[in-house]
Amino acid sequence: GGIITQTPKFLIGQEGQKLTLKCQQNFNHDTMYWYRQDSGKGLRLIYYSITENDLQKGDLSEGYDASREKKSSFSLTVTSAQKNEMAVFLCASSIDSFYAEQFFGPGTRLTVL
Amino acid sequence: QQQVRQSPQSLTVWEGETAILNCSYENSAFDYFPWYQQFPGEGPALLIAIRSVSDKKEDGRFTIFFNKREKKLSLHITDSQPGDSATYFCAVGANTGKLTFGHGTILRVHP
Repeated sequence: GGIITQTPKFLIGQEGQKLTLKCQQNFNHDTMYWYRQDSGKGLRLIYYSITENDLQKGDLSEGYDASREKKSSFSLTVTSAQKNEMAVFLCASSIDSFYAEQFFGPGTRLTVL
Repeated sequence: QQQVRQSPQSLTVWEGETAILNCSYENSAFDYFPWYQQFPGEGPALLIAIRSVSDKKEDGRFTIFFNKREKKLSLHITDSQPGDSATYFCAVGANTGKLTFGHGTILRVHP
């Protein structure tokens, strides 16, 4: 078994602020993902990384940057937080990118004042 | 354009009844259809998945029925239990690593 750790659990920021969310997995998985979950809107893919040196944009990448520092860690940066923004950011990993089960972390809840 | 549609938005059933959750998609290139279950405060977890070569996948009380021609699938939960109360997401994918999720169905099972 393994676990995905997301830090911080709660993040409160100011409008225009640059904010970084971190994700660590100990599954030894190749592929990692960042999703945004808004109430009633499902999960939308922001960035994903198929292997350690790869980075690919998802459907919602504008306003975000990502970095795969090493195989076990994947961070997401909100480049300029939007006022009244509220969402949960979910990190996931899978053994590879071919029809593999994605394992999710518990999420980081972002509030922008 | 919403690629994956789920219905109903929410569903309430009594304990012991069968809950039916529906999903449809636009792009016939998708060939992998997982369902994820999410409890409040947690990340989603894979419940059951089907590939397009099959029309049915069963795992205990959970069954996926898949209609490739109509681009529709459904998740049947038989003998529903209060512990099944959660949000269920239908997703679609191919061998690219990307999944596209629907908006989810909130299921409540009353004892």
